[in-house]
Amino acid sequence: DGGITQSPKYLFRKEGQNVTLSCEQNLNHDAMYWYRQDPGQGLRLIYYSQIVNDFQKGDIAEGYSVSREKKESFPLTVTSAQKNPTAFYLCASTGTYNEQFFGPGTRLTVL
Amino acid sequence: AQSVSQHNHHVILSEAASLELGCNYSYGGTVNLFWYVQYPGQHLQLLLKYFSGDPLVKGIKGFEAEFIKSKFSFNLRKPSVQWSDTAEYFCAVKSYGGATNKLIFGTGTLLAVQP
Repeated sequence: DGGITQSPKYLFRKEGQNVTLSCEQNLNHDAMYWYRQDPGQGLRLIYYSQIVNDFQKGDIAEGYSVSREKKESFPLTVTSAQKNPTAFYLCASTGTYNEQFFGPGTRLTVL
Repeated sequence: AQSVSQHNHHVILSEAASLELGCNYSYGGTVNLFWYVQYPGQHLQLLLKYFSGDPLVKGIKGFEAEFIKSKFSFNLRKPSVQWSDTAEYFCAVKSYGGATNKLIFGTGTLLAVQP
């Protein structure tokens, strides 16, 4: 089946640790995105990539990093510099008509 | 900067009641408009979209939305809600012709339908 997969579904991290969230798509989409979803704040864009080996900061990029070495993959690293990392993280890619397709999300909890 | 406003943060309705969720955006040019829905424990999924043409757009599960350019609005409607419509609803806007495909999302409206 075509779609976007994110792993793991739940992730726990100790303060001061970096952690990497996986996002893979087999939709052959060029553009991919990472969002953070917090209650009452909607979706806020962290990073996006329009093509392999290129990515841009979104609205809340501080404390995060990404890479885009393959078209199918867009991993997000939450670094120890992120002040409030506990959140629900969503990965998306853009289809032909600019609609975005979303993965199931990863819920990160910092202990 | 572009922004999207969803004025209703929480809505509680009884089954069979009519629904209208507001969405306003701030951008003067041509836009693509979207409504997404997130059912409990499920992926965020596209409900409907507007690109051009008829400003009344029909989506899945009996939802529709009307684009009113003069009011910068794209309100979501359903004539008769069901308990299964309980979900969070997000409005999103993309400015047409922009350098990227970035969507700007509203803060969401949590709808609870009581049986």
